[in-house]
Amino acid sequence: DIQMTQSPSSLSASVGDRVTITCRASQTISTYLNWYQQKPEKAPKLLIYAASSLQNGVPSRFSGSGSGTDFTLTISSLQPEDFATYYCQQSYSTPWTFGQGTKVEIK
Amino acid sequence: QVQLQESGPRLVKPSETLSLTCTVSGGSISSGSYYWSWIRQPPGKGLEWIGYIYYTGSTNSIPSLERRVTISIDTSNNQFSLRLSSLTAADTAVYYCARGGSSWPYYFDYWGQGILVTVSS
Repeated sequence: DIQMTQSPSSLSASVGDRVTITCRASQTISTYLNWYQQKPEKAPKLLIYAASSLQNGVPSRFSGSGSGTDFTLTISSLQPEDFATYYCQQSYSTPWTFGQGTKVEIK
Repeated sequence: QVQLQESGPRLVKPSETLSLTCTVSGGSISSGSYYWSWIRQPPGKGLEWIGYIYYTGSTNSIPSLERRVTISIDTSNNQFSLRLSSLTAADTAVYYCARGGSSWPYYFDYWGQGILVTVSS
């Protein structure tokens, strides 16, 4: 199985901050990498697919980059509604696997 | 707008079998463009993909659960189902159904709201 490791596990940030979350795969996965946002008691929501493509309706302050084993999700200017947990997921091979999550909290 | 809705018991006893159904509306489950997946999340923990089914009935599931998992599809009712046998407390989780593309890049774009299943006597 491909292991996905996110860092940090949590972070505190203020509204307006630029936030970067990293995801590393245990083997190369090309750009088969997706990012999801999950708020408490809600289902995950797709933000980014294929490493850098923005899902329809997702604000442009979200962006993704990377290929191979190292990937990044960036929020250019954190908004109050962005406080949530973020997960990366590899779709290179089954079993599809997720990172452990990064919780973004208010400073 | 595609919607998915999980249904089933919220409390199940250890050693028993869990049966959940996902009803899809706003789109056909028989579309060859999608895989239909089950994903779970233990309380306070991360996400685990359980498996998927294609409209043809072909399935794929995570090896660690393969012996206990059965995923089936009912195209006439636009539903797919999960059966998980020999339950233990470790199977307590929110269970989500989700739609994923059947070709690259295989992301989950629509999810059900989730159903919390507790395994306890």
